[in-house]
Amino acid sequence: SQTIHQWPATLVQPVGSPLSLECTVEGTSNPNLYWYRQAAGRGLQLLFYSVGIGQISSEVPQNLSASRPQDRQFILSSKKLLLSDSGFYLCAWSVPHSSGNTIYFGEGSWLTVV
Amino acid sequence: AQSVTQPDIHITVSEGASLELRCNYSYGATPYLFWYVQSPGQGLQLLLKYFSGDTLVQGIKGFEAEFKRSQSSFNLRKPSVHWSDAAEYFCAVGRYSGTYKYIFGTGTRLKVLA
Repeated sequence: SQTIHQWPATLVQPVGSPLSLECTVEGTSNPNLYWYRQAAGRGLQLLFYSVGIGQISSEVPQNLSASRPQDRQFILSSKKLLLSDSGFYLCAWSVPHSSGNTIYFGEGSWLTVV
Repeated sequence: AQSVTQPDIHITVSEGASLELRCNYSYGATPYLFWYVQSPGQGLQLLLKYFSGDTLVQGIKGFEAEFKRSQSSFNLRKPSVHWSDAAEYFCAVGRYSGTYKYIFGTGTRLKVLA
């Protein structure tokens, strides 16, 4: 069965420091991968999605970037964090045309920028 | 533009009472529809999904949802709520735009009174 791992689970970083959140999916090939950010009362905001290695699409302009160095690995990064980057970040995956294109989520990463 | 509306930010019900969480969507074609549940500090767990066919779909934990095309709705129901159902619930629409993307509502937080 497929599983998704996301880490670290919790992170406290000072303003201006770099960020790296990592996500890996097991048990499937060539998934679509997603990074969402969740802010209180605002639901889930899609930040990036990827349909293949090295293919990244950004949904909103921001201080973050994403990379997909391997088929089942998705990384969310920042060179210099802002206070506004604080939030709950969720990695997710789906397999096109399989299981009705259902999207599945990791356990999330809490980022607090201080 | 496609959108998902969950008009109730908070809902409080007594344990054993019935539950209905509302979801309305805006999408030109028949979308893929989902309901997810999120416990505090956790990722999102899929409750159920609708792609086609029978408009009443059954999910896990005793939940069901009904797709009503004429009302553009996909309301989530449960006949008898348990205290463990207290969580946040998200409705989502999956749509194809070059690849599959998922739009989420802002969520409904459910409180269950003993």
